[in-house]
Amino acid sequence: EVQLVQSGAEVKKPGESLKISCKASGYSFTTYWIGWVRQMPGKGLEWMGIIYPGDSDTRYSPSFQGQVTISADKSISTAYLQWSSLKASDTAMYYCAKRYYYDRTDAFDIWGQGTMVTVSS
Amino acid sequence: QSVLTQPPSASGTPGQRVTISCSGSSSNIGSKTVNWYQQLPGTAPKLLIYSNNQRPSGVPDRFSGSKSGTSASLAISGLQSEDEANYYCAAWDDSLNGYVFGTGTKVTVL
Repeated sequence: EVQLVQSGAEVKKPGESLKISCKASGYSFTTYWIGWVRQMPGKGLEWMGIIYPGDSDTRYSPSFQGQVTISADKSISTAYLQWSSLKASDTAMYYCAKRYYYDRTDAFDIWGQGTMVTVSS
Repeated sequence: QSVLTQPPSASGTPGQRVTISCSGSSSNIGSKTVNWYQQLPGTAPKLLIYSNNQRPSGVPDRFSGSKSGTSASLAISGLQSEDEANYYCAAWDDSLNGYVFGTGTKVTVL
């Protein structure tokens, strides 16, 4: 079964660092892009960026460039999203999702269960 | 702020047909395929329609998608109570060089 399993909920203080994970199984991790999506409380979905684990090619949404870092460790089939200095406005649910890109099909077909990040003093 | 515009809400009684629109531009819907995601309360989004009108395995055929020019639509026929959810259109955008989601539509079954 193809699945993405994300790390558990986090509660952090402003200024702290954080790295959340997304472990893939059931498919070839290095041959599909993985993206990250933010959903602030009661709000819609926002695309943050994407990484190709095969060569670590990474693209960021302009809204998130410089605010987060996306990485991957292909030895353990895991993608990461990290912050060096959290802000209260980073409080949100974060989803990872596998990109299926073939011919004219280009969609996020498998999603993780989400990681809730709460930043509060 | 999203570049794909959807109505904030839609509703219908069981068995009715509901349609959700998604308006974009030439850099996204006009030149790329459209996907739709369903997000049930408290759960992760799920791919509902891909490549404008294709259903992944397991998605009921009462969900259908279409695209014309810079707009797309999702139709739910034979509305059921379990269809109460938020629905998002999405597409890649050449100008932003990234993926964009619609503003989202909350579907209520009356």
